[in-house]
Amino acid sequence: QKEVEQNSGPLSVPEGAIASLNCTYSDRGSQSFFWYRQYSGKSPELIMSIYSNGDKEDGRFTAQLNKASQYVSLLIRDSQPSDSATYLCAVNTGNQFYFGTGTSLTVIP
Amino acid sequence: GAVVSQHPSWVICKSGTSVKIECRSLDFQATTMFWYRQFPKQSLMLMATSNEGSKATYEQGVEKDKFLINHASLTLSTLTVTSAHPEDSSFYICSANNRRTNEKLFFGSGTQLSVL
Repeated sequence: QKEVEQNSGPLSVPEGAIASLNCTYSDRGSQSFFWYRQYSGKSPELIMSIYSNGDKEDGRFTAQLNKASQYVSLLIRDSQPSDSATYLCAVNTGNQFYFGTGTSLTVIP
Repeated sequence: GAVVSQHPSWVICKSGTSVKIECRSLDFQATTMFWYRQFPKQSLMLMATSNEGSKATYEQGVEKDKFLINHASLTLSTLTVTSAHPEDSSFYICSANNRRTNEKLFFGSGTQLSVL
């Protein structure tokens, strides 16, 4: 079983819609959770971090964490074509960072 | 956020030569640096974890004699691809964090290596 799992997609949403990205992890001791955005040919860019159960909002982005279900998600409201990228879920277990394989998101104008 | 500088951003070399990639944390002390490689349209693949002042820990299948990692200071780590071959052509990315003060992981801008 992989440490972090994501649906690879591709996920397509129309401009202005809500994009929902999901991630599950296997280590119950994981403490920190991150979402990175990676444009083609570029390195990942940190967009959200979350450490406790519940929702965390930052602009159009909302991260949701449910440690009991070992589930973390990212919602992108009012999706824009510039949001088209691969979104990586990352989990810090204290000793190591584990990345999912990424979900490719396309926002259709 | 914290800044991680990676250099060079693009390098083309002949087969058999060695290439050094530098990764610097500009505004924080990086107790740990990670090196990844990524092939087109594939996910990040962790190559090795480097802690300042100690030998790097390589992932299974990564040749430590081919990919030399040095983390001599809290702000600099280098990856040297020795005797490069065309199959080593890839996007190499470093990342860094300071576990004592910050759990976040910040990435360098990446190095695209093309071996002819």
